[in-house]
Amino acid sequence: EPEVTQTPSHQVTQMGQEVILRCVPISNHLYFYWYRQILGQKVEFLVSFYNNEISEKSEIFDDQFSVERPDGSNFTLKIRSTKLEDSAMYFCASSLDRGQGYGYTFGSGTRLTVV
Amino acid sequence: DQQVKQNSPSLSVQEGRISILNCDYTNSMFDYFLWYKKYPAEGPTFLISISSIKDKNEDGRFTVFLNKSAKHLSLHIVPSQPGDSAVYFCAASAYNAGNMLTFGGGTRLMVKP
Repeated sequence: EPEVTQTPSHQVTQMGQEVILRCVPISNHLYFYWYRQILGQKVEFLVSFYNNEISEKSEIFDDQFSVERPDGSNFTLKIRSTKLEDSAMYFCASSLDRGQGYGYTFGSGTRLTVV
Repeated sequence: DQQVKQNSPSLSVQEGRISILNCDYTNSMFDYFLWYKKYPAEGPTFLISISSIKDKNEDGRFTVFLNKSAKHLSLHIVPSQPGDSAVYFCAASAYNAGNMLTFGGGTRLMVKP
């Protein structure tokens, strides 16, 4: 069964450093997303991406965040200057269609720990 | 911002019995509702969805019920199996918000053999 692959599974970084979280969405999917879950809290939407541009983003997705699809297969989330509160599980997801009834396929997540 | 709430953080059920997981929402613009299941160290897995024009959708052992007037949905699993033990999230989306999902806090289901 096709799956969304995320690397690394766990990343530890120092506060103020830049991190790039990587995702390989399902190959024929057209819509891409990042969500995050801070420990003990809800899964929160960060950003959606379609046709090489951001289609929606949340208030969380401020100037320190950026997304890119550099080569037609990878989808990356960059955090420019990490803060302690960025520590969370980051999930990438993709979907074939914008149709709301179709669930996304999520990756297994990257646990980001900022120290 | 508690637009989607799952008031029961955990639920314990005997194998073979029915599991009922509940979810409430406040935003009347939501028009699609989804349930996801999550195991530790994995991402959420899509289970079943329902459009606001329906009040029931069934897929095997899983049935989702929607009560629009009460802004309430529920997921029924029958019969429950030990492999169903996981965290279940309900999520909602609104057409005018693209397909961004707003998640509830999750309910941990434990199915005892």
